[in-house]
Amino acid sequence: EAGVTQSPTHLIKTRGQQATLRCSPISGHTSVYWYQQALGLGLQFLLWYDEGEERNRGNFPPRFSGRQFPNYSSELNVNALELEDSALYLCASSIRGQGGNEQFFGPGTRLTVL
Amino acid sequence: RKEVEQDPGPFNVPEGATVAFNCTYSNSASQSFFWYRQDCRKEPKLLMSVYSSGNEDGRFTAQLNRASQYISLLIRDSKLSDSATYLCAVSFNTGGFKTIFGAGTRLFVKA
Repeated sequence: EAGVTQSPTHLIKTRGQQATLRCSPISGHTSVYWYQQALGLGLQFLLWYDEGEERNRGNFPPRFSGRQFPNYSSELNVNALELEDSALYLCASSIRGQGGNEQFFGPGTRLTVL
Repeated sequence: RKEVEQDPGPFNVPEGATVAFNCTYSNSASQSFFWYRQDCRKEPKLLMSVYSSGNEDGRFTAQLNRASQYISLLIRDSKLSDSATYLCAVSFNTGGFKTIFGAGTRLFVKA
């Protein structure tokens, strides 16, 4: 069974640009979560999507946004990139549920903002 | 106070040792608890869910203490391959479920 996939693996942008990160969940999973992990720091919850709707978001500014498509894949968009946005962005998926289910992570997208 | 706290370590132990990690959480309404393992520059991998009755998987034992609001992970007979960062995760519902991860505890197992 294929795991969570993310693309691209690496992304290099400059300040002020926009970044788009993509995630495909495990087949049968309807929930997608996005996390930011800056170097040496823990995972910070960004967004949770389930059945195409945003269910919850973490303490991040509105320039972090996303969406979930009918096939349950998801996109994270980061506008007006800042240097401190450089981090590993991890996507996780879980089965349909209330959000407290086991989450399985993809390999991440490493975003570098120059 | 952080919502989920872990001792950052690092823990340096010899092969064969028993090592225990604790993780405290502040939200008494927390409902689901997990331990993950993360290798350097890799994604976290689910190690085990933590149930009220406690659970064991081979050399790994996880326990939950709701009264004191902490979860624990015990690793027996440590192997070199156990070297990694161990993250605890706690889910709770405050107008929408949220999963909060601890910052992780680094473990080094040495020969």
